[in-house]
Amino acid sequence: AQSVTQLDSHVSVSEGTPVLLRCNYSSSYSPSLFWYVQHPNKGLQLLLKYTSAATLVKGINGFEAEFKKSETSFHLTKPSAHMSDAAEYFCVVTTGAEDSSYKLIFGSGTRLLVRP
Amino acid sequence: DGGITQSPKYLFRKEGQNVTLSCEQNLNHDAMYWYRQDPGQGLRLIYYSQIVNDFQKGDIAEGYSVSREKKESFPLTVTSAQKNPTAFYLCASTRAASYTGELFFGEGSRLTVL
Repeated sequence: AQSVTQLDSHVSVSEGTPVLLRCNYSSSYSPSLFWYVQHPNKGLQLLLKYTSAATLVKGINGFEAEFKKSETSFHLTKPSAHMSDAAEYFCVVTTGAEDSSYKLIFGSGTRLLVRP
Repeated sequence: DGGITQSPKYLFRKEGQNVTLSCEQNLNHDAMYWYRQDPGQGLRLIYYSQIVNDFQKGDIAEGYSVSREKKESFPLTVTSAQKNPTAFYLCASTRAASYTGELFFGEGSRLTVL
């Protein structure tokens, strides 16, 4: 069965420093993986997605993620944090072909705090 | 602009009352979903619908009901049987259930039981 683990519930960085949000997944099939961002009391917005093309995926707002099959990881990075990046981030894997339900499995989220 | 509209944004309910949360989309998407969000638990799937007049239970369907009479509408009823209904509810849609692309979300409805 698919699962996704976000290794940090909170990450705090200073403005202008790099961001690393960690995600590990478990999947019997080649997974589709996503990162979503949620600002307070808002819905979720897609940052980027991996669907078996290039392993380095570039998203919006300068974020990128690298799919590493050997490590079963899909970590989210950004070279330089901005105050507007403060939000909650979710790593997501699809169930896809395993059970034909095509449900999304969400990680528990990582709250990113950006210090001035 | 195309998107998903959820209403109401905030809702208060007394114990024992049923409430219905509205979700409307004008994206012409076939698949629609309801998620519940609690602090520190990510999103959990309540119900989903892959096509009009058909829907399936998700992981936490007990105490909830849905209908899908029109393609653009997928209302969620939180019944009095739901033991802990205070939460943030998110509606989402995608082009088709098998489509591994973007899931579009509404802005959510926050339900508080008094």
